[in-house]
Formats: sequence, structure tokens, C-alpha cells
Amino acid sequence: LAKTTQPISMDSYEGQEVNITCSHNNIATNDYITWYQQFPSQGPRFIIQGYKTKVTNEVASLFIPADRKSSTLSLPRVSLSDTAVYYCLVGDPPNQGGKLIFGQGTELSVKP
Amino acid sequence: GAGVSQSPRYKVAKRGQDVALRCDPISGHVSLFWYQQALGQGPEFLTYFQNEAQLDKSGLPSDRFFAERPEGSVSTLKIQRTQQEDSAVYLCASSLTSGTLDYEQYFGPGTRLTVT
Repeated sequence: LAKTTQPISMDSYEGQEVNITCSHNNIATNDYITWYQQFPSQGPRFIIQGYKTKVTNEVASLFIPADRKSSTLSLPRVSLSDTAVYYCLVGDPPNQGGKLIFGQGTELSVKP
Repeated sequence: GAGVSQSPRYKVAKRGQDVALRCDPISGHVSLFWYQQALGQGPEFLTYFQNEAQLDKSGLPSDRFFAERPEGSVSTLKIQRTQQEDSAVYLCASSLTSGTLDYEQYFGPGTRLTVT
């Protein structure tokens, strides 16, 4: 299974763009990259998923370089409500029995 | 629509007691997962059901942990003879399909178990 490395914590201010980078040097050909967000006292929530290049949805963008050994989650114009833990997951859940493998995550703190 | 619900939200048990944690997945979701989350850590996989079949229980930490989903909907995670190291948040998640590229799992709010 590909191991992921991401910063333990990050600080930002309201209105700024936040980029969280995740390293996954051993990513396999079939692996997808998925990000989840978790607020205190809640379960994780799916944000975005991609395989290569760039994916964008109403919440975030995911940038994946050609070698796929890293990925960057970009949150535009963060607000206080974006304070949460963000998890980068890499894997092929059908081949892992569907289970998600979480790391420690990045604790993002957005300040006024 | 209704999301995944779990009950109770909080449970305090004395060491040695048995506990049962309930999960109501989103209606029609085929797959159901249980995860354990220790303080300050990411969730860790415990077990997986596809309908009523328990296909993977490799993450259950000991034989004191038992999960069932008898009718392919509601699931119960039971912990016998609780120990202090069982204190954690237990998360349930469900997903619509199985064995596909549908990686989005919908999580409930969790049950916080404290063993004293």
C-alpha cells in the first residue's frame, strides 16, 4: 500500500488560498488519490478524488503532476468554517476490500 | 435525505462491561464499514460488510470485537469485556456500491466510547 506523507498542521487566514501537499512516492498504477475532511466530533467527509492532472469541484481543486508522486489539495478563499483535519488517501479500494487507509492528516487552522 | 446515523453518540462503560454500538446506514447502500479513531489519529479500518456478508474483519483488534449486519441494513458492533484501550470514537460508514471506483464513503458522527 502506498504510504502518504502530509504536514501535521497548517495555519491560514480567512480569504487566503490554502494548498496542502501530500507525498506518495510509492503510488501504484491503479491507485487513485482521494481527500477527506473531518470536523471535530464528526465523521470524515469526501472532498475530491483524482487520478492525474487537475480535478475541480465546487469545494476544492486537486493538482496531480505527471509522475503522480505527490498531489496538492487547493482550497480557494478559506473561511473559519474550513478549520478541520484534511486526510490524503491513496489506494485502490476495490483491491483493498473497499477499506480506506487514513494517515494522521493535516490539521488546518483558519484565523480571522 | 437522511445520512448515516449512529447510536448512542456517547457511551461510558466500566472496564469489563459489554457494549453494543448501532449503525443505521443510508438506505440502499450495499457496503458498510466500521472504523476506530483514537484521539489525534486518523480512522483505522475494523471490518466491512457487503449486504449481510462480512467480507473483511482483518482490522478487528481482538476476539472481543464482533460485528453483524443480519439483514443487510442496520449493523451492530459489539465489544465484550471492554478494556481501557478500547476507548475511542467508533465510526460507521456506508457506500452505495461495492468493488467499483466509487470511493466515496458516507460517515456517521461516530460513537465516543470511554472505558473507565
